Amino acid sequence: RKEVEQDPGPFNVPEGATVAFNCTYSNSASQSFFWYRQDCRKEPKLLMSVYSSGNEDGRFTAQLNRASQYISLLIRDSKLSDSATYLCVVKNAGKLIFGQGTTLQVKP
Amino acid sequence: DTEVTQTPKHLVMGMTNKKSLKCEQHMGHRAMYWYKQKAKKPPELMFVYSYEKLSINESVPSRFSPECPNSSLLNLHLHALQPEDSALYLCASSQDGGISYNEQFFGPGTRLTVL
Repeated sequence: RKEVEQDPGPFNVPEGATVAFNCTYSNSASQSFFWYRQDCRKEPKLLMSVYSSGNEDGRFTAQLNRASQYISLLIRDSKLSDSATYLCVVKNAGKLIFGQGTTLQVKP
Repeated sequence: DTEVTQTPKHLVMGMTNKKSLKCEQHMGHRAMYWYKQKAKKPPELMFVYSYEKLSINESVPSRFSPECPNSSLLNLHLHALQPEDSALYLCASSQDGGISYNEQFFGPGTRLTVL
């Protein structure tokens, strides 16, 4: 079993849609959690850190459920520019563990 | 300024060549990382330097040799690589390398092709 699991997609959604990505992690000792975004042939860019209380940044909302070892990302009012791969990332003992990534394609 | 720079952007090398990848950050970060990323896969950690000392080596073959000359610079020396080593090599940095909640910031990567 992979340490961080994501549905690879692809998710094909129309502009303006709301889309949710889920992620589970296996190591209950994991300390911190992030969502990164990666465009084709580019580096991963930090989208947001994920806190136990949940956090929001504009159209993006991240949630963490430590009891279920589950992380989510909600994107509201999708834009064409949101098309990318979204990586769920867990930090353990100083190391980032990446999920396989979920591909989002937003269509006009 | 959350910027990590890497040179070169692209590198093509033969299996007998020796080359080096360079990474630089001026954010005062004390941890720096090398990752390897193959197409359609997530980044895989290779090495971690914390306060200029190698703290993690993920069983990387010795044909990859990291070096941290100072707190702002990180090099990856390459020698006798194989075609399967062709990948995007990403450098990242973070405030420190411990268990604290600080994020890693990635450079644009060096796209390496081994012929």
